[in-house]
Amino acid sequence: EVQLVESGGNLVQPGGSLRVSCVVSGFIFSNQYMDWVRQAPGKGLEWIGRIRNKVNSYTTEYAASVKGRFTISRDDAKNSLYLQMNSLKTEDTAVYYCARLGGWIGATDAFDVWGQGTMVTVSS
Amino acid sequence: DIQMTQSPSSLSASVGDRVTITCRASQGIRNDLGWYQQKPGKAPKRLIYAASSLQSGVPSTFSGSGSGTEFTLTISSLQPEDFATYFCLQHNSYPLTFGQGTKVEIK
Repeated sequence: EVQLVESGGNLVQPGGSLRVSCVVSGFIFSNQYMDWVRQAPGKGLEWIGRIRNKVNSYTTEYAASVKGRFTISRDDAKNSLYLQMNSLKTEDTAVYYCARLGGWIGATDAFDVWGQGTMVTVSS
Repeated sequence: DIQMTQSPSSLSASVGDRVTITCRASQGIRNDLGWYQQKPGKAPKRLIYAASSLQSGVPSTFSGSGSGTEFTLTISSLQPEDFATYFCLQHNSYPLTFGQGTKVEIK
């Protein structure tokens, strides 16, 4: 069974830092590109960033809203994905989802799976 | 960045109705588009990939069409379990971008 389980969401003060994690099972994690997507309360979905696989040197892409503040990393030995969030702002308050979004392989890439999300609240 | 303009933002419909949701891309994205359904408190679930391919396990009442800049999600006969919010996502270029969402409510 495919599972993506996020953890680490918490209440943090503006300017603070937090790391959320995602443990994956049920597919070959090391082969995949992995993504983080967030959703502020009552709002739409926002893609945050992506990390490629080892073959592609673990390179990353980020949305402008988080670039320079957030860092995506992975540990293939632990089937784990991480999101390090620094200099947090109140507008970063959201549910954070890890996901293996389909499409990066090509048009026939039907594999698309998400975790259940973890809540990050930035407030004083 | 590619902007995805989704319409309408909400609609009211009855069980059995045909429903159409549109996403327009600010530049051509070939068929690099997926459609997602999200229910309250749940993660999104992809329904359509490559603009018109039905995800395994998704009812055939859902269909997608379009290429380039105009895309459509159609629900041919709305069922009670289809009341949800729908999003499009382009993965043609970075940053990946979602449409604003369409909330489908019961009339």
